[in-house]
Amino acid sequence: AQTVTQSQPEMSVQEAETVTLSCTYDTSESDYYLFWYKQPPSRQMILVIRQEAYKQQNATENRFSVNFQKAAKSFSLKISDSQLGDAAMYFCAYNGGVMRFGAGTRLTVKP
Amino acid sequence: DAGVIQSPRHEVTEMGQEVTLRCKPISGHNSLFWYRQTMMRGLELLIYFNNNVPIDDSGMPEDRFSAKMPNASFSTLKIQPSEPRDSAVYFCASTPSGGVDTQYFGPGTRLTVL
Repeated sequence: AQTVTQSQPEMSVQEAETVTLSCTYDTSESDYYLFWYKQPPSRQMILVIRQEAYKQQNATENRFSVNFQKAAKSFSLKISDSQLGDAAMYFCAYNGGVMRFGAGTRLTVKP
Repeated sequence: DAGVIQSPRHEVTEMGQEVTLRCKPISGHNSLFWYRQTMMRGLELLIYFNNNVPIDDSGMPEDRFSAKMPNASFSTLKIQPSEPRDSAVYFCASTPSGGVDTQYFGPGTRLTVL
């Protein structure tokens, strides 16, 4: 079964700085999608960014970008110019037919 | 466009009562998923439907849980009888086709069973 591991239960970043959240996954599939979701205190699950495994180019969405290393099965999220509104739980997810989520990383942004 | 709609947003009930959670997926989406989120177990997939047909219900914890999707725009998750350990946030999500693409989540229902 596919598993997703987020090894950082909590991370902290100073406002305007850059932070990287780690994620690794285990799969024998070659075609799949990877996602980062944000869950603020409102508990709404918000899509941050997605990556298709067959694309070598790393996805970017404004201040959010990923470092996708397919061979290493690694999918980290970089948040640049962190803002107070970025404070939330961040979940890494793998989807090769059934979505699997990591345990999440709680990001705190210090003013 | 309206996103995934869930009701109620909050539900407080007593042990032994029947609970029904409702979900309206995004119009045109063919797949619907029910998840449960707890501190201990994180996000767990309970069941998913494709074109209104249940495809995988292996995540449903026990027979007290049941889910239906009578049409493309409505699904229910029922717990009967409810127990305190069912307290959690229940999410519904939908996706345009199949299960591999991006899933769009509803706001969730926070269930508390006393």
